[in-house]
Amino acid sequence: EAEVAQSPRYKITEKSQAVAFWCDPISGHATLYWYRQILGQGPELLVQFQDESVVDDSQLPKDRFSAERLKGVDSTLKIQPAELGDSAMYLCASSSDRENIQYFGAGTRLSVL
Amino acid sequence: QKEVEQDPGPLSVPEGAIVSLNCTYSNSAFQYFMWYRQYSRKGPELLMYTYSSGNKEDGRFTAQVDKSSKYISLFIRDSQPSDSATYLCAMRGVRAGGTSYGKLTFGQGTILTVHP
Repeated sequence: EAEVAQSPRYKITEKSQAVAFWCDPISGHATLYWYRQILGQGPELLVQFQDESVVDDSQLPKDRFSAERLKGVDSTLKIQPAELGDSAMYLCASSSDRENIQYFGAGTRLSVL
Repeated sequence: QKEVEQDPGPLSVPEGAIVSLNCTYSNSAFQYFMWYRQYSRKGPELLMYTYSSGNKEDGRFTAQVDKSSKYISLFIRDSQPSDSATYLCAMRGVRAGGTSYGKLTFGQGTILTVHP
């Protein structure tokens, strides 16, 4: 069964350091989403791509966060510099144009010390 | 006030009980309603998906949507210890012309424990 792949699964870093997360969506899925889930809360969208273009990044803290999907397939989310409040689960999801269902990866759990 | 409100629980029930999970929302533009299940340290997995008002049943799970009251529910019959997880409601509006499907707006999640 096709899955959304994310790496790493866990990341521990010190504040002010740079971190990067990687996501490989389900093959053929044109839309890719990055969500942030703080412990005890539901996921909140950070950025949405349609192919290689950003569709919605209104909630992305652009002073420190960046995201790219250069070839319209896999994607990288970067934080520089990381802050204590960035500790959360970072989830990637993808969906096809035919189907209104978002499939989530297992996530990357970030701890900023 | 959040667009989607969900009681975080926690909810603890004995095995075999009927579980009722609920969400209310304020955005009348929401048309698609979903329930995701999330096990500890895992990503959300889709359980139920409904469009507009009505009921949908899948095995032990029933989803209900009442758009007039802006209220959705998930019922779990004959609950099992393996149902122990966080349940997230999620919703979104209609697809804008010529663009991809938009973001999901999630509730806070309800933590459910089913004990043997």
